[in-house]
Amino acid sequence: DAMVIQNPRYQVTQFGKPVTLSCSQTLNHNVMYWYQQKSSQAPKLLFHYYDKDFNNEADTPDNFQSRRPNTSFCFLDIRSPGLGDAAMYLCATSRVPGLAGSTDTQYFGPGTRLTVL
Amino acid sequence: AQSVAQPEDQVNVAEGNPLTVKCTYSVSGNPYLFWYVQYPNRGLQFLLKYITGDNLVKGSYGFEAEFNKSQTSFHLKKPSALVSDSALYFCAVREYGNNRLAFGKGNQVVVIP
Repeated sequence: DAMVIQNPRYQVTQFGKPVTLSCSQTLNHNVMYWYQQKSSQAPKLLFHYYDKDFNNEADTPDNFQSRRPNTSFCFLDIRSPGLGDAAMYLCATSRVPGLAGSTDTQYFGPGTRLTVL
Repeated sequence: AQSVAQPEDQVNVAEGNPLTVKCTYSVSGNPYLFWYVQYPNRGLQFLLKYITGDNLVKGSYGFEAEFNKSQTSFHLKKPSALVSDSALYFCAVREYGNNRLAFGKGNQVVVIP
């Protein structure tokens, strides 16, 4: 089945120790998104890629970076995690909204729960 | 700017009773509307969407939603709730040409056996 995969599902890191979260997709979607979600709140968009075009949200801290080496993979790097960065990180994908044949739907992976000690 | 309001924090319903989760939206132009469900420690699971066409949209697991343009609402409904429907439900909207979704705050649904 086509899907969005996130690894690891649970990640524990130490305060200030860099961490990388991984997302891969078999849907062949152009757009990939990274969201941060804290304790049953709405997901907050950090950034998204439209193919290789990176789009950062204005309020995303510089501590968060992303890489998309190819269509299938996207990484979230947290350079110096703080206690406030403990959260669920969600990856999602979609076709380009508005194009003919586009489903317009974002499909989410299972998430990575990050704990910062 | 696009936005969504989910006015209730929690919806409690007895098993077998109808379930309604409310959502109102604000966009410039025509809205694209979505409902997602989230179980504990899981990602968001797509339930249904309204893009155009019939105002009544049917989705997964017996859920449906009605688009009402005059009231700018997109309420989620299920005729007979199950205990397994207990979860967090998010309504979301985006405007044409915008890659970004605007999510509501979410509604915790508790189905009481």
